Amino acid sequence: SQQGEEDPQALSIQEGENATMNCSYKTSINNLQWYRQNSGRGLVHLILIRSNEREKHSGRLRVTLDTSKKSSSLLITASRAADTASYFCAPQETSGSRLTFGEGTQLTVNP
Amino acid sequence: DTGVSQDPRHKITKRGQNVTFRCDPISEHNRLYWYRQTLGQGPEFLTYFQNEAQLEKSRLLSDRFSAERPKGSFSTLEIQRTEQGDSAMYLCASSLALLGGSTEAFFGQGTRLTVV
Repeated sequence: SQQGEEDPQALSIQEGENATMNCSYKTSINNLQWYRQNSGRGLVHLILIRSNEREKHSGRLRVTLDTSKKSSSLLITASRAADTASYFCAPQETSGSRLTFGEGTQLTVNP
Repeated sequence: DTGVSQDPRHKITKRGQNVTFRCDPISEHNRLYWYRQTLGQGPEFLTYFQNEAQLEKSRLLSDRFSAERPKGSFSTLEIQRTEQGDSAMYLCASSLALLGGSTEAFFGQGTRLTVV
């Protein structure tokens, strides 16, 4: 099945620095979605990028999509301690409807 | 509308008992998903509905698991004869399916199941 694989598995940075997380997938997609999850809580939708889009911004978030390389990246600028969470990408296949998640990137932002 | 809601938030049950969870999606959403998540792992797909039809079910889902969405609105997930390995967070999500794809999926806060 189509599963997003996030890289790195863990990332630790200082407040104010930028954080970049990458996602790779295997087959054709309709869109790719990024989510955040704080420990023990549900997933919060961050941003959806469609297959015909290359870049999308939302506040301090910037997502890119390269369908030729089957990869996406999430950049969080000027990070804050409150950004500490797990981040997941979920590609949505053209042939199906399920969203499939990888193991995520655990981001720690140190104050 | 306050988003996707799940009930209960926590459930502790003895091994061998049956449990049922409920999910109320965002009202205009026609697609509903169930996921299971254990500590340190990403959400694992279980099944999804479009309106009342169950369109896909994970091969990992044993016969002890059954899900329904009788009127295309709320959904229930039942686990029969629970085992300790069923202990996990059960997440529900909903989205709006359109001709060209679907919108983003919104998740509930989950039901944490502990089987003792």
